[in-house]
Amino acid sequence: DTGVSQDPRHKITKRGQNVTFRCDPISEHNRLYWYRQTLGQGPEFLTYFQNEAQLEKSRLLSDRFSAERPKGSFSTLEIQRTEQGDSAMYLCASSPSQAGGPPEQFFGPGTRLTVL
Amino acid sequence: AQKITQTQPGMFVQEKEAVTLDCTYDTSDPSYGLFWYKQPSSGEMIFLIYQGSYDQQNATEGRYSLNFQKARKSANLVISASQLGDSAMYFCAMRDTTTGTASKLTFGTGTRLQVTL
Repeated sequence: DTGVSQDPRHKITKRGQNVTFRCDPISEHNRLYWYRQTLGQGPEFLTYFQNEAQLEKSRLLSDRFSAERPKGSFSTLEIQRTEQGDSAMYLCASSPSQAGGPPEQFFGPGTRLTVL
Repeated sequence: AQKITQTQPGMFVQEKEAVTLDCTYDTSDPSYGLFWYKQPSSGEMIFLIYQGSYDQQNATEGRYSLNFQKARKSANLVISASQLGDSAMYFCAMRDTTTGTASKLTFGTGTRLQVTL
């Protein structure tokens, strides 16, 4: 199966600790997105890469959050000094950028973060 | 800014019946795309169907169809012949083009569908 993968699937951490999540997109997709989904809500956009360039960041992405995609393939999302409000599902998605390609974004299974 | 509204927090439907999940949207952009995703309890978002704002016909994908009424700014999802496996959260989403990045999705709050015997 060559879908979007995310690691870890679950993460429990104590407040104040740093956490890092990884996303591996579909191999031929050059666009990669991060979303956050809290309980009872739809996913909210965090940031977006085209190849290795981070082209947009949401206001939701505070200074404690940083995302990278150093070689234009996998991406990491790091949260420093975690807070209880960071508890959420973090979803990664990818899509191709060529005109005429499928319009949808393909989502991974998500990383569920619990901050104690 | 784009906004998606889903006013039905939960819906019940009997197996083999059809069900309509409501979605209205707000945008000033003449070019946009509308999506429906399914999210089972496992958490993964599964793409169901897409409608472009300039598409003349309503989109259909198997048992899924999108009732697109542009003047009313609605994009309701119709699921025909419901199956027990259709029980899940359903999200309506819009592709945001206002900032020049033609890919960011804005989601509604979702509708939880429960299919009963």
